[in-house]
Amino acid sequence: GENVEQHPSTLSVQEGDSAVIKCTYSDSASNYFPWYKQELGKRPQLIIDIRSNVGEKKDQRIAVTLNKTAKHFSLHITETQPEDSAVYFCAASIGRGSTLGRLYFGRGTQLTVWP
Amino acid sequence: GAGVSQSPSNKVTEKGKDVELRCDPISGHTALYWYRQSLGQGLEFLIYFQGNSAPDKSGLPSDRFSAERTGGSVSTLTIQRTQQEDSAVYLCASSFLADGYEQYFGPGTRLTVT
Repeated sequence: GENVEQHPSTLSVQEGDSAVIKCTYSDSASNYFPWYKQELGKRPQLIIDIRSNVGEKKDQRIAVTLNKTAKHFSLHITETQPEDSAVYFCAASIGRGSTLGRLYFGRGTQLTVWP
Repeated sequence: GAGVSQSPSNKVTEKGKDVELRCDPISGHTALYWYRQSLGQGLEFLIYFQGNSAPDKSGLPSDRFSAERTGGSVSTLTIQRTQQEDSAVYLCASSFLADGYEQYFGPGTRLTVT
């Protein structure tokens, strides 16, 4: 099956700086890559996603890039704010066959933004 | 509109007892997913429903785990003869289409087996 690895496991940045979280995946058939933000004790929230026919997607301060050849994708947060502090999870989906719909998650990155 | 809801929010049970966890997906969403999140870990896929059928049960960790979905809506995850290693947060998600894109999560049920 698919294997998603995520780095770093923890990331501390000063308010206003940028943060980058990287993920790699193993199955070249994966075609959907969402990112979730999970605050302590709360549900994972979908913050941005990208499909394999697109190389980059932006939504205000958040962007995701995808390199299909290298099988890696990254989350970029610019002008970080203390409220960005949370655990971020990347995921990948093969999107076909018997595993249609299954998301394979990375182990998460604890982002801390210091004021 | 209303999001995914789950009940109970917390469940403490004794080892060996059976538990039932409930998930109400977003109205109109055809696909429903169960995941498990152990302390400090990522999310582990358990099972996926497309309508009332479960094309992918391969994530269920043992035959003590089962799930059903009736009427294309509410789903119940049942764990029989609970073990301490079953302690985790059980998360449910739903999506409009069956392709798995844009899954929205419920708040989870925190299960503690003593």
